Amino acid sequence: DIQMTQSPSSLSASLGDRVTITCRASQDIGNYLSWFQQKPGKSPRLMIYGATNLEDGVPSRFSGSRSGSDYSLTISSLESEDTAIYYCLQYDKYPRTFGGGTKLELK
Amino acid sequence: QVQLQQSGAELVKPGSSVKISCKASGYTFTSYDMHWIKQQPGNGLEWIGWIYPGNGNTKYNQKFNGKATLTADKSSSTAYMQLSSLTSEDSAVYFCATGSFDYWGQGVMVTVSS
Repeated sequence: DIQMTQSPSSLSASLGDRVTITCRASQDIGNYLSWFQQKPGKSPRLMIYGATNLEDGVPSRFSGSRSGSDYSLTISSLESEDTAIYYCLQYDKYPRTFGGGTKLELK
Repeated sequence: QVQLQQSGAELVKPGSSVKISCKASGYTFTSYDMHWIKQQPGNGLEWIGWIYPGNGNTKYNQKFNGKATLTADKSSSTAYMQLSSLTSEDSAVYFCATGSFDYWGQGVMVTVSS
């Protein structure tokens, strides 16, 4: 199975900070990577697909990028509503696998 | 608008089975995969498998072979997942999600307890 190693596991940042979360894939997955946001008691929400494509309705402060086997989700200016757990997902190979999650909190 | 409405919470006994549902609306049910995902309390997400309602084809995470069975009823646009031989390790929230993981159900909490 492809391992998605997500870092950091938790992150505390201030309003307006630039925040970056990373997933490293254990094998080549091309651009078949998505990012999700999950708030307590809610279903995950698709934020980014195809590594860099913003899902409709997602604020433009979110962006995705790739450098080799490292995939990043960046929030350019943190807002209070962004506090959540973020997960990556590879959908290139079976079984689909998620990263372990990053809990983003306000400092 | 696309909606996935899942069935209600279940409290089931160890060794038993449970069947949960995911009713789709707002799109052509038979044209897109339906995924199922497990989330244990305080834990991350685990992909169980998908079903293509158009022809009933399925793909499972090997880890869930023999544990989960995915079916779909085209007439009611409803996908189902049956979980068998339940243990405490199956206590979790189970989500359905459309083919690109762009729409999710609200989740079903399954609690396995005697």
